[in-house]
Amino acid sequence: AQKVTQAQTEISVVEKEDVTLDCVYETRDTTYYLFWYKQPPSGELVFLIRRNSFDEQNEISGRYSWNFQKSTSSFNFTITASQVVDSAVYFCARNRDDKIIFGKGTRLHILP
Amino acid sequence: AAGVIQSPRHLIKEKRETATLKCYPIPRHDTVYWYQQGPGQDPQFLISFYEKMQSDKGSIPDRFSAQQFSDYHSELNMSSLELGDSALYFCASSADRGHQETQYFGPGTRLLVL
Repeated sequence: AQKVTQAQTEISVVEKEDVTLDCVYETRDTTYYLFWYKQPPSGELVFLIRRNSFDEQNEISGRYSWNFQKSTSSFNFTITASQVVDSAVYFCARNRDDKIIFGKGTRLHILP
Repeated sequence: AAGVIQSPRHLIKEKRETATLKCYPIPRHDTVYWYQQGPGQDPQFLISFYEKMQSDKGSIPDRFSAQQFSDYHSELNMSSLELGDSALYFCASSADRGHQETQYFGPGTRLLVL
């Protein structure tokens, strides 16, 4: 089905803790793209990262980091020193042709 | 930087009414996508346009239609509205058709059907 699975439906952590959001994807394609989007309570979808299937290099952007492993078909997202403003639903996604296929999302609560 | 603009941001309609949602892509983006996100759900692809032609179609009901105009803005027309159409409707745009281009999403239109 070439779907994206986010096994964690909801996670709660205390502020300043690190948290990792898991994402596993299925694909039969050689070339594909993976994404993470953030959806805060206000509802908009905020683009965080896009990863090309040929680039397995991990990426860090401030407190955010991504671990892409083709061997396990995973594209995990870690927030270091979490903050209350990180509270949101996070969607992992992949492309299928021109459209984006989303996972079911992980709702992240950062408790003060 | 300019982002995708959607209007209206909120819309309340009665069953069997019609609704028109508008999307203005990022300048110089020629590809537009529409997604529907039901309550507590992930966004689902509806339809896309490239250079004013429909390029892909997802689970879009026959009651819905869409088009892209010469200035690249797009409109999603929804007729005979049903309660189940209540959702957040996103428009996204990209610089070109193709999976290598990132889709940037607008703020969404929240539609409530009573």
